[in-house]
Amino acid sequence: AQSVTQLDSHVSVSEGTPVLLRCNYSSSYSPSLFWYVQHPNKGLQLLLKYTSAATLVKGINGFEAEFKKSETSFHLTKPSAHMSDAAEYFCVVSDRAGGFKTIFGAGTRLFVKA
Amino acid sequence: DAGVIQSPRHEVTEMGQEVTLRCKPISGHNSLFWYRQTMMRGLELLIYFNNNVPIDDSGMPEDRFSAKMPNASFSTLKIQPSEPRDSAVYFCASSHGLEKYNEQFFGPGTRLTVL
Repeated sequence: AQSVTQLDSHVSVSEGTPVLLRCNYSSSYSPSLFWYVQHPNKGLQLLLKYTSAATLVKGINGFEAEFKKSETSFHLTKPSAHMSDAAEYFCVVSDRAGGFKTIFGAGTRLFVKA
Repeated sequence: DAGVIQSPRHEVTEMGQEVTLRCKPISGHNSLFWYRQTMMRGLELLIYFNNNVPIDDSGMPEDRFSAKMPNASFSTLKIQPSEPRDSAVYFCASSHGLEKYNEQFFGPGTRLTVL
């Protein structure tokens, strides 16, 4: 069965410091993995996705994520946080085995301090 | 290029009233999803369509909820009668099919408040 766990419900960083948002997944097959961002009172926007090509995926706004099959992880990183990065981030696993299945994580709220 | 369009953006109604939420997917997308987001339960998939046909409605909480997609460019989510616990933000999303690598494009959401 598929599942996705975002290990931190809240992360707080200072502006200019690195960001790490952690995501572990469980899937019986070879899934696709996504990170979405949701700014306050907005819809979700795709940051990046992994679809079995390169394991290091670069997304918008300087974010990237690395797919590690041995660790079943897909952590999101950014070298230097900006105030505008403050938002909620969702890790998503998607598979077609046994029918369409897309599972959203519970979300991690990122706070950026000046 | 217009994204997913939802209307209304905000809806305030009284318990027992019928509520209809509307969604226009991105042109050319043939899959459409309805989600509900609350603080307590996070983001929940309610129902999704492919080529205007409902594929899985197992996420619809009760018979008070119904969804239709009469054509490729329009979908509705109806709650009748509405209850205070239905208060949430409802998102519509569309994608170019149901392959695992297809990302979903989300609308801005409808914030529903049932008094």
